[in-house]
Formats: sequence, C-alpha cells, structure tokens
Amino acid sequence: QKEVEQDPGPLSVPEGAIVSLNCTYSNSAFQYFMWYRQYSRKGPELLMYTYSSGNKEDGRFTAQVDKSSKYISLFIRDSQPSDSATYLCAMTDSNYQLIWGAGTKLIIKP
Amino acid sequence: DTAVSQTPKYLVTQMGNDKSIKCEQNLGHDTMYWYKQDSKKFLKIMFSYNNKELIINETVPNRFSPKSPDKAHLNLHINSLELGDSAVYFCASSQDLLQGNTGELFFGEGSRLTVL
Repeated sequence: QKEVEQDPGPLSVPEGAIVSLNCTYSNSAFQYFMWYRQYSRKGPELLMYTYSSGNKEDGRFTAQVDKSSKYISLFIRDSQPSDSATYLCAMTDSNYQLIWGAGTKLIIKP
Repeated sequence: DTAVSQTPKYLVTQMGNDKSIKCEQNLGHDTMYWYKQDSKKFLKIMFSYNNKELIINETVPNRFSPKSPDKAHLNLHINSLELGDSAVYFCASSQDLLQGNTGELFFGEGSRLTVL
C-alpha cells in the first residue's frame, strides 16, 4: 500500500462546477500538506499548503486537512477550462521529505 | 527570466547510449533535486543536493550519476540507457532542506527522454 493514495482520474466536470480532489495517507507523522498543479508538458507548481487540520482559502481554491481521518481535499469553486491540469498532493514526513500522490487529471469542459 | 531551467527539453536516443541533462536555478536556493515522472505521472525523487553536497540518493541504478559543480547547477548523467529509462526528468530547487518551511519546490519544465 502506498503512503499517499490519490485517484488518477480523469475527472471531467462542466465549467462552473465545484471540483473536489482528494488524497488519503497512512502516516500520522505527516506534517505539511501541499497541492501542486501541473499543466501538460510543464513542471508542477505549488498551489496551496496547509499545516494544521481545518480549511485554508485562496480565491477559488480551498484546501482542507482532516488529520484524524488522514484525508486532505482541494476544492475549486466556479471551475474554469484553465483549471484543467493534473493536481498532485504532497506531504512532508518527519524528516521533511516530500511524499507525493500519483496526481488526479482534471478536465473542465466549456 | 526562467527560475529553474533545464536542457535539453527533449532527448531521443538509442539503448546503450549515454546522455546528460543540465539544470540551473537563479533563485539563490541551497537545495536542488532530480525527479523522475513516469507515464502515469507519478513523481519519484532520485537525488537531492544541498550546497553541492549529496543529501538524498534513492534506490537508483548507478548508471545515473548526478553532479553539482556549484549550488546553482545540478546535472544528471545517464550511462548505458535502457528502455525503462524513458520518462520525464524534472529538476527542482527549494530554499533549504524543507525544514520548517512550506515544502515549496520550484520545478523546471522537464526533459522528456525517449529511449528506442
């Protein structure tokens, strides 16, 4: 079993929909939780990071962490075709090493 | 002005050949990385250097040899290429060894290696 599980998708939704992307993890020692976005033929770029359980909002994006359930989510409101990308979750272990999910491919249909 | 740049962007080569990928960052970061991303988009760390010193050396065949001439450069040389080496190789940098910070890595655009 991988330390971080993420459904690879693809997840296809119509423009304007609310998108929910999720990762589960097994190691309770994970500390920081990140979401990276990767456009086709580009490198990943950091979208959001959180440390504690709860929600963090940035514009149309909300990152949610539930440490008791070992579950993190990224919500995208009013989704746009430009949000079409692969979204990778990542988290740091007790040695501050980054552990990555496999990425979910998101397609927003106009 | 590109923060993390890697060259070449594309490599197509025959099995058994040797190839190199170069990476440079102009962010003033202390730590640089090489990642391999397979066809299923899974990112796997290969090496990490901090101030020219090797920090992470994952289970990678010794045909892969990184070299950091200074903290702004991290190159990757691959000997005797095999079909399974086909992937996208990403260079990345971070301010430090992620201790106490946000875990933000800055990635290059990737070097797509195809071994025939």
